[in-house]
Amino acid sequence: GESVGLHLPTLSVQEGDNSIINCAYSNSASDYFIWYKQESGKGPQFIIDIRSNMDKRQGQRVTVLLNKTVKHLSLQIAATQPGDSAVYFCAENRDPQTSGSRLTFGEGTQLTVNP
Amino acid sequence: EPEVTQTPSHQVTQMGQEVILRCVPISNHLYFYWYRQILGQKVEFLVSFYNNEISEKSEIFDDQFSVERPDGSNFTLKIRSTKLEDSAMYFCASSGGYSNQPQHFGDGTRLSIL
Repeated sequence: GESVGLHLPTLSVQEGDNSIINCAYSNSASDYFIWYKQESGKGPQFIIDIRSNMDKRQGQRVTVLLNKTVKHLSLQIAATQPGDSAVYFCAENRDPQTSGSRLTFGEGTQLTVNP
Repeated sequence: EPEVTQTPSHQVTQMGQEVILRCVPISNHLYFYWYRQILGQKVEFLVSFYNNEISEKSEIFDDQFSVERPDGSNFTLKIRSTKLEDSAMYFCASSGGYSNQPQHFGDGTRLSIL
């Protein structure tokens, strides 16, 4: 399953499928990006990050892809499990020269994994 | 695994009253942050803090807000005279570096203004 941009707030997939969550960013000066997972009643949990000098980074079952040409970021989750059900946010360090280390969050995508 | 802890988990306060939200950042982290999340909306930056002073703040962080690190472990957010629109989840975060370092979040304090 795949979501497109920040305008599709929900993504529903079957257990075992791969999930792709997308995020668009607007500031070409953004140099650092993070994906967070937020479960109900909890704070954002760090999943994976990527710097702008990279276009791909892999973690355990997750991969982040960065396409600076079209200002697009995606999170791929392999073999999605019910425990992956949560809201996923991309966040960017938009312009460290002017805004320091503040993170700007996207609107989030609700991922639902069906057994 | 070290984590950011926040207290209380839920705070109910009358409009106009002062409220203090507390956070214990990860022990070897040097940069501290407050964010808020109004129900159903995205997480918004409030303020960052380093070396006992504010590094930057957003337009939300007006004169009613203040932050303090009263000792070597706690980091607090004070809202002097709460308004209804201050109702939100408030998250504390900390990181080991200035930029290009992951910020780790606590589970938040739900602030309800009556």
